[in-house]
Amino acid sequence: KAGVTQTPRYLIKTRGQQVTLSCSPISGHRSVSWYQQTPGQGLQFLFEYFSETQRNKGNFPGRFSGRQFSNSRSEMNVSTLELGDSALYLCASSLGTGDGETQYFGPGTRLLVL
Amino acid sequence: AQKVTQAQTEISVVEKEDVTLDCVYETRDTTYYLFWYKQPPSGELVFLIRRNSFDEQNEISGRYSWNFQKSTSSFNFTITASQVVDSAVYFCALSEAGGYSTLTFGKGTMLLVSP
Repeated sequence: KAGVTQTPRYLIKTRGQQVTLSCSPISGHRSVSWYQQTPGQGLQFLFEYFSETQRNKGNFPGRFSGRQFSNSRSEMNVSTLELGDSALYLCASSLGTGDGETQYFGPGTRLLVL
Repeated sequence: AQKVTQAQTEISVVEKEDVTLDCVYETRDTTYYLFWYKQPPSGELVFLIRRNSFDEQNEISGRYSWNFQKSTSSFNFTITASQVVDSAVYFCALSEAGGYSTLTFGKGTMLLVSP
């Protein structure tokens, strides 16, 4: 089975711009979660989608949003970028049908905000 | 609220040494799940192991072993006869029941194995 894929792998944006990141889960997985990784804050949960619905959300401002499509692919959007949004954004997928499922991660998108 | 603590920020060892990475967790739930992930320089998080709170059996997989002790809320990871390829950042994570498998991560331990 193909793993989780994320595009693009690298992005450079300037403050005030917006960005959209894409994630394709493992075939058959219906849950997609997004995490932000920074040197200062570590790995932090952004949100989780299942069957096109957001089921869980972390403590991030409304500038961070996401959506999921009927084929389980997911996108996350960050509007009005700030320097502090520079991070590695990781997407993970799982079946989504139970607790404590193993999440499988993609290679991440490295976002640099100048 | 749940919390995971990895007190060791960085560990340096010489190849073939054994090394233990510590993980201490906090949760009020009786049902929870613990994980270890490896993050090589490429950035992708690689799944290593999953444990549920009702299974305290230690596990061994090749050179890797895990020691889960509920009494001390610890889930430690040992690499036996370390190799240069083991160099990476290792994360311990916790998922609580009813949390849709959302992971709370520790800050990670960077392991450097030199030849």
